[in-house]
Amino acid sequence: DQQVKQNSPSLSVQEGRISILNCDYTNSMFDYFLWYKKYPAEGPTFLISISSIKDKNEDGRFTVFLNKSAKHLSLHIVPSQPGDSAVYFCAAVNRDDKIIFGKGTRLHILP
Amino acid sequence: DVKVTQSSRYLVKRTGEKVFLECVQDMDHENMFWYRQDPGLGLRLIYFSYDVKMKEKGDIPEGYSVSREKKERFSLILESASTNQTSMYLCASSAQGPREQYFGPGTRLTVT
Repeated sequence: DQQVKQNSPSLSVQEGRISILNCDYTNSMFDYFLWYKKYPAEGPTFLISISSIKDKNEDGRFTVFLNKSAKHLSLHIVPSQPGDSAVYFCAAVNRDDKIIFGKGTRLHILP
Repeated sequence: DVKVTQSSRYLVKRTGEKVFLECVQDMDHENMFWYRQDPGLGLRLIYFSYDVKMKEKGDIPEGYSVSREKKERFSLILESASTNQTSMYLCASSAQGPREQYFGPGTRLTVT
């Protein structure tokens, strides 16, 4: 059973527009969430995180929103740039410090 | 500039061979991790270590073992490689549990 779900395998967004990547989780014991970005032939790089005591965290063009009642988080990228084309992984950490990753969403930024 | 390095970018091994994947980090991190990434399956945790000489099983430890004799080095061992272990292997380290991990570039292992 998938505890962290990224239901969209891919997403295409026009350059300059907003990209919204979604992630759902099933376990209410998760208390920390992260987003990683991965280019082909490279390891993932940490992008942004959020604790369960918050509902929003912002870092430049990247904002993560957490809706605990819906067990849903989203990553907003505004404005989208060509270099944002990559695979994005959502991850959740539970109170036992166990991490689970989603399967990833491939984002294509269109010129 | 923080760095996690992995011994090989590409590796081809035969079924039944013993395979060593080495990972070294220069950030003095306590915590190190091994994952494999497969298409459609995302990142799956194989083993992790929160201290020297300490190891814990992740979600898919079968067929693997690890060694952490020094803080900066974490090795993944495939005792007898099988074709279903063909994958991208990623090592990571972190200062605080599994949070904000720094990943190496990965080793693409092919077992024939």
